[in-house]
Amino acid sequence: EAGVAQSPRYKIIEKRQSVAFWCNPISGHATLYWYQQILGQGPKLLIQFQNNGVVDDSQLPKDRFSAERLKGVDSTLKIQPAKLEDSAVYLCASSPPHGLGNTGELFFGEGSRLTVL
Amino acid sequence: SQQGEEDPQALSIQEGENATMNCSYKTSINNLQWYRQNSGRGLVHLILIRSNEREKHSGRLRVTLDTSKKSSSLLITASRAADTASYFCATAPQVAGKLIFGQGTTLQVKP
Repeated sequence: EAGVAQSPRYKIIEKRQSVAFWCNPISGHATLYWYQQILGQGPKLLIQFQNNGVVDDSQLPKDRFSAERLKGVDSTLKIQPAKLEDSAVYLCASSPPHGLGNTGELFFGEGSRLTVL
Repeated sequence: SQQGEEDPQALSIQEGENATMNCSYKTSINNLQWYRQNSGRGLVHLILIRSNEREKHSGRLRVTLDTSKKSSSLLITASRAADTASYFCATAPQVAGKLIFGQGTTLQVKP
């Protein structure tokens, strides 16, 4: 079974530039998550999709971050304009239905490492 | 917001020894999960324990959950150099269908 695919693995940009990350979840996984992991910290949830719809984006800095999930499959996360503090690893994860609103095991991609200079 | 807090932040042991990591959380949960992250890689799921379970085993892993104290522990027995990684606890709160990660414990196992 193919895992969660993310690209690019590495990206270096200047502050105020824009960047986009792409994620292809495991086939059949309805729920997709974007996490931000700053060096030395645990992952922080940015946005959670259930099929096409947004379930939680309470910690997404909406003035500069945007995300979409087309046709309930692939997803893109965009940052525009980037700030120095956006330097982090952006992790995409997906999960199959777990029932009763519970959250089961998440399957993570390898992440996209962003450096903002 | 970070719900889980792991203790210790860093742990260094010799191969063959046991490693114990602790996690405390704040709100009621549906389940608690542990993940491993090797340097520069994504997270890998290790084990899930439901709120009505007290202990769970998987190979060399043993997880306990004490909902009255809002805490969990992960025990890795007979550690190996390949166990060197960061370990994160993650909680699934009852009121929200999402997973919140702690800050992690960095484990170094010396050969």
